[in-house]
Amino acid sequence: RKEVEQDPGPFNVPEGATVAFNCTYSNSASQSFFWYRQDCRKEPKLLMSVYSSGNEDGRFTAQLNRASQYISLLIRDSKLSDSATYLCVVNQAGTALIFGKGTTLSVSS
Amino acid sequence: DAGVIQSPRHEVTEMGQEVTLRCKPISGHDYLFWYRQTMMRGLELLIYFNNNVPIDDSGMPEDRFSAKMPNASFSTLKIQPSEPRDSAVYFCASSLGTGGAGYTFGSGTRLTVV
Repeated sequence: RKEVEQDPGPFNVPEGATVAFNCTYSNSASQSFFWYRQDCRKEPKLLMSVYSSGNEDGRFTAQLNRASQYISLLIRDSKLSDSATYLCVVNQAGTALIFGKGTTLSVSS
Repeated sequence: DAGVIQSPRHEVTEMGQEVTLRCKPISGHDYLFWYRQTMMRGLELLIYFNNNVPIDDSGMPEDRFSAKMPNASFSTLKIQPSEPRDSAVYFCASSLGTGGAGYTFGSGTRLTVV
């Protein structure tokens, strides 16, 4: 079983739609959680950290359920520019980031 | 700062040849990571360094792969001999500490072994 699992998609949505991505992780010792964004043929870049209380950054909302080892990302009012691959990422103290394979989002007009 | 700089951007080589990938981390960052990305396996950690010392190389596929960090501003990943299954995008990243909010990735090296 992979440490971080995501539905690869693709998710194809129209502009203005709300879309949600889910991710599960297997190691209960994981302490830090993130969503990274990767555009086609580019490097991954941090989108947002994920906190236990849930957090929001504009149209993006991330939530963490430690008991279920589950992380989510909600994107409201999707824009064409949101089209990318979204990587779920976990981290244990003092170790390197572990990435999921990513979920591909395509937003169309 | 120019960010993490990797070279070359693209590399096409024949099976059996030696390949050397290079990375210059962000000045002041004390961690350097090498990742490999393929469609099948996603982004996998190969090795990482802390203050130029290798900490975890358990992700290095086999003895054909080696990595060095001779100083704080330079690291190499070498594959010898290369095989077609090594074809992938190799990313270098650096950070201050291992906290995931501070990773900066280079643009990657797209390696094709024919």
